[in-house]
Amino acid sequence: ETGVTQTPRHLVMGMTNKKSLKCEQHLGHNAMYWYKQSAKKPLELMFVYSLEERVENNSVPSRFSPECPNSSHLFLHLHTLQPEDSALYLCASSQGGQGASLYGYTFGSGTRLTVV
Amino acid sequence: AQSVTQPDIHITVSEGASLELRCNYSYGATPYLFWYVQSPGQGLQLLLKYFSGDTLVQGIKGFEAEFKRSQSSFNLRKPSVHWSDAAEYFCAVGTYQAGTALIFGKGTTLSVSS
Repeated sequence: ETGVTQTPRHLVMGMTNKKSLKCEQHLGHNAMYWYKQSAKKPLELMFVYSLEERVENNSVPSRFSPECPNSSHLFLHLHTLQPEDSALYLCASSQGGQGASLYGYTFGSGTRLTVV
Repeated sequence: AQSVTQPDIHITVSEGASLELRCNYSYGATPYLFWYVQSPGQGLQLLLKYFSGDTLVQGIKGFEAEFKRSQSSFNLRKPSVHWSDAAEYFCAVGTYQAGTALIFGKGTTLSVSS
């Protein structure tokens, strides 16, 4: 158990579906992140929340919508996805604020998403 | 802008042999540097990190890494590889700036032959 739990572990969805990915941490961290990991590509940062405020959005398409209701939970809402969105979606958490990178991240095991 | 380069996409070593995985970074100030390992179907696990002090850092599972400012490198080493070390390894760089996230290299896949 890594301290960061992602559900579901696997998800298959059609292009017209709406689904949500969930991430939960009980490490006392106050920054959370969504990364996308595609085959043969580097990890792509999607969203950063620090102290429950979104601080970075790396030009992610609007069909991905994050939500951070509190410091322990992070969601990624999905709608009208494309097949190229199939990937492993990783959630991570860390201490927030200045020097957040200093501590490194704790990652969840990811959600393997397949869009058909 | 920060960047991380891992020149080797795939490396194969024999079990019991030594290992060195290369990582080069680009960043104007002193970076925070990390190595992560990812087993198939899993998230990333932190192996070790450097942010100041002794340039040789020890991590878990017998790994170590050396920070060389003059070469902008942070190479990962292990004196004797075990079959269970087969995985993907990621180097990452971070900064002190609030709200910024780690930037990862593309990763190096390690295969271990018997």
